[in-house]
Amino acid sequence: ETVLTQSPGTLSLSPGERATLSCRASQSVNSNYLAWFQQKPGQAPRLLIYGASSRATGIPDRFSGSGSGTDFTLTISRLEPEDFAVYYCQQYGNSYTFGQGTKLEIK
Amino acid sequence: EVQLVESGGGLVQPGGSLRLSCAASGFTLRRYDMSWVRQAPGKGLEWVSAIGGSAGNTYYADSVKGRFTISRDTSKNTLSLQMNSLRAEDTAVYHCARDNVPESFDIWGQGTMVTVSS
Repeated sequence: ETVLTQSPGTLSLSPGERATLSCRASQSVNSNYLAWFQQKPGQAPRLLIYGASSRATGIPDRFSGSGSGTDFTLTISRLEPEDFAVYYCQQYGNSYTFGQGTKLEIK
Repeated sequence: EVQLVESGGGLVQPGGSLRLSCAASGFTLRRYDMSWVRQAPGKGLEWVSAIGGSAGNTYYADSVKGRFTISRDTSKNTLSLQMNSLRAEDTAVYHCARDNVPESFDIWGQGTMVTVSS
């Protein structure tokens, strides 16, 4: 099983700042099948990024994904108030596993 | 509108059974791989089970293998999860999700709560 480790566990930033979230895999992710999801309280997860770097339909361009192999990053260039949420990475190249999540909170 | 709506959750005693349903609208379910993902209270996301769109092959997480069964009814455009021998650790919100390869899980339902307690 591919284990995904996200860091940091909690990230405290202010609106307008840049956020960098990390996801490290225990083994290389097949075909870079790495996705990022955003989840707000009481809501279903929302797909942001797939294939490590492709934005899903309707996702603003302040969200970007990068990385390959075992190290991946989600960057939010300028935080908007609605971006404060929990973010999960997921690999779907070898079955499916999720990271434990990073909580992005307002500083 | 493309949508998934789950139903069937509730309170069940340890060792009991429950059947969850997921109604798809706006797309044909059998053309996609579909999954169930759960989230225990205050915890992260855990993939539970998947069914392939074409051949209908099924896959399970080790934590539910032998206890849960995923299936679909193409005439009703509905996905199901039969859960047997339920344990306290199965308590969670269960979401169904569409796997739009290579885009991963692009559509999610709002979820249905399952509570296993005596």
